[in-house]
Amino acid sequence: DTEVTQTPKHLVMGMTNKKSLKCEQHMGHRAMYWYKQKAKKPPELMFVYSYEKLSINESVPSRFSPECPNSSLLNLHLHALQPEDSALYLCASSFRTALAKNIQYFGAGTRLSVL
Amino acid sequence: AQRVTQPEKLLSVFKGAPVELKCNYSYSGSPELFWYVQYSRQRLQLLLRHISRESIKGFTADLNKGETSFHLKKPFAQEEDSAMYYCALFNYGGSQGNLIFGKGTKLSVKP
Repeated sequence: DTEVTQTPKHLVMGMTNKKSLKCEQHMGHRAMYWYKQKAKKPPELMFVYSYEKLSINESVPSRFSPECPNSSLLNLHLHALQPEDSALYLCASSFRTALAKNIQYFGAGTRLSVL
Repeated sequence: AQRVTQPEKLLSVFKGAPVELKCNYSYSGSPELFWYVQYSRQRLQLLLRHISRESIKGFTADLNKGETSFHLKKPFAQEEDSAMYYCALFNYGGSQGNLIFGKGTKLSVKP
């Protein structure tokens, strides 16, 4: 398995809902990332997990809560989102070896709409 | 400050014409640069990284530290090259580092 898999592909939620985005990889990568991508914009880093520990949090609002249950799984819990949070949410993963640690592999994303 | 600049939002060329997508960077240390591509309805994927010095799908990119550039080139564009191209810089700041993306250039290759 050489892919990063994200579910669901699409999600519509109300501002009072609680939902979760899921990401999975079986490439043995030890770093996993969440990005937010608005239309026609580059991806913006939200969180980085390295060896299941949160190592970068780019001052993301607390209504976004990441979780890394193990080295293959990454979740993003959503609560009380705003319409401006509507975007494509991308998960990525990478090795942590000196040679390949900075190559990131991206999932297809979850397209989120907040009503 | 670490920054990646892609000056062209849109680049339109005819099939068979040469193409150059520009990327300039600002980084205090030794840069590590990448080109990522996003085809329509497909995921973001790595095209090139400068330390590999390879050619992928006919594309090459050379790091020019004097001009702080990492332009992407292809001598003969194909219609299937139409996509969004992002230049990215790995920022070693902080405990683990992260990718900084440029704003992207949309390449349109016309028949």
